[in-house]
Amino acid sequence: DAGVIQSPRHEVTEMGQEVTLRCKPISGHNSLFWYRQTMMRGLELLIYFNNNVPIDDSGMPEDRFSAKMPNASFSTLKIQPSEPRDSAVYFCASSRDSGVTFFGQGTRLTVV
Amino acid sequence: GQQLNQSPQSMFIQEGEDVSMNCTSSSIFNTWLWYKQDPGEGPVLLIALYKAGELTSNGRLTAQFGITRKDSFLNISASIPSDVGIYFCAGQLLGQGAQKLVFGQGTRLTINP
Repeated sequence: DAGVIQSPRHEVTEMGQEVTLRCKPISGHNSLFWYRQTMMRGLELLIYFNNNVPIDDSGMPEDRFSAKMPNASFSTLKIQPSEPRDSAVYFCASSRDSGVTFFGQGTRLTVV
Repeated sequence: GQQLNQSPQSMFIQEGEDVSMNCTSSSIFNTWLWYKQDPGEGPVLLIALYKAGELTSNGRLTAQFGITRKDSFLNISASIPSDVGIYFCAGQLLGQGAQKLVFGQGTRLTINP
């Protein structure tokens, strides 16, 4: 079975550019999560969706961050404009109902 | 918000030694999970605990869900080189038709051969 699929795996961009991270959750899962991981702050939940509806976006750091889930099999996390402090590994994860959460391999974002 | 205190932050051990790490919280969780993260990868689930007091094993790994539902520990017996990585505890909350995880800060395990 395919796990959570994220793209790209690595992204290097210049400050001020728009960045879009993509995620395909596990088929049949109805909850999707975006996390950010840094050395300083560890794993932080940015936003999560249930049945394609954003439930809690209190972890989104600023208005520069936005996330969408247009259908059950796709989600995006967008940063516009990007800043060096956004450099981190971004994980997408999914689960079904109250089941276990599975993570993708992450996107390593570097903003220079 | 909810926070998990995971300890120790790092461990340096000899191959073959046993390892113990734990997480505590001021909040009650419905489920406790333990994940391992290898370099360049996402966290991978090791053990899930669903009931207070539950003790579960997965090979050389043993984890327990504290009776108060506010803590959990993970033990690794007879460590081997592939156990190296970062271990995270996570408490799972239910509500609003969905659930989310709260993560500990992680325990970085280093093994000297």
